[in-house]
Amino acid sequence: SQKIEQNSEALNIQEGKTATLTCNYTNYSPAYLQWYRQDPGRGPVFLLLIRENEKEKRKERLKVTFDTTLKQSLFHITASQPADSATYLCALDAGGGADGLTFGKGTHLIIQP
Amino acid sequence: NAGVTQTPKFQVLKTGQSMTLQCAQDMNHNSMYWYRQDPGMGLRLIYYSASEGTTDKGEVPNGYNVSRLNKREFSLRLESAAPSQTSVYFCASRVPRGLSYGYTFGSGTRLTVV
Repeated sequence: SQKIEQNSEALNIQEGKTATLTCNYTNYSPAYLQWYRQDPGRGPVFLLLIRENEKEKRKERLKVTFDTTLKQSLFHITASQPADSATYLCALDAGGGADGLTFGKGTHLIIQP
Repeated sequence: NAGVTQTPKFQVLKTGQSMTLQCAQDMNHNSMYWYRQDPGMGLRLIYYSASEGTTDKGEVPNGYNVSRLNKREFSLRLESAAPSQTSVYFCASRVPRGLSYGYTFGSGTRLTVV
């Protein structure tokens, strides 16, 4: 069956360090992979999209990599700040006729001052 | 502000009652979606609408119906609520697939069925 795995345990990072979150998937051939941020009581907010033929995408302090051979995406936040503390969701778009994103369960990131 | 608006924000229903969750977007998006989010389960797709007049089932459609009233509005109806439908419901919309933009989500409706 199709599965998206994110580290279900909270990730504690010291302020100023780089936070790296992992998204692994099985039995998928996604056309796109997206990352979202979700704060408590709020809806997810789109951060970055990377296509299957792209290796890396950057936006300010954020960087996403996409390895279709390993079936893995890494999400990096450099120079992390306490305001970056949130749950980060990985989502796959399979492309083709089926619509809608399939989400991982998310990783709770805590940036400690 | 442009975005996705959901109403109500909170609702408590008794088992067997019905209700409609409303969603409207003002970004001129064709595609709209309803997700539910449960602890430990992540976001799961209930129904989606690729364009006005069309709807399709997602991963967990049982117990729900939807209506794409026009391009702006996409409603989710629970005909006979069950405790298993206690969840947070999110509506979302998006630009055409292929552009480097993701989905825009509403702030959610927290539904409790007792």
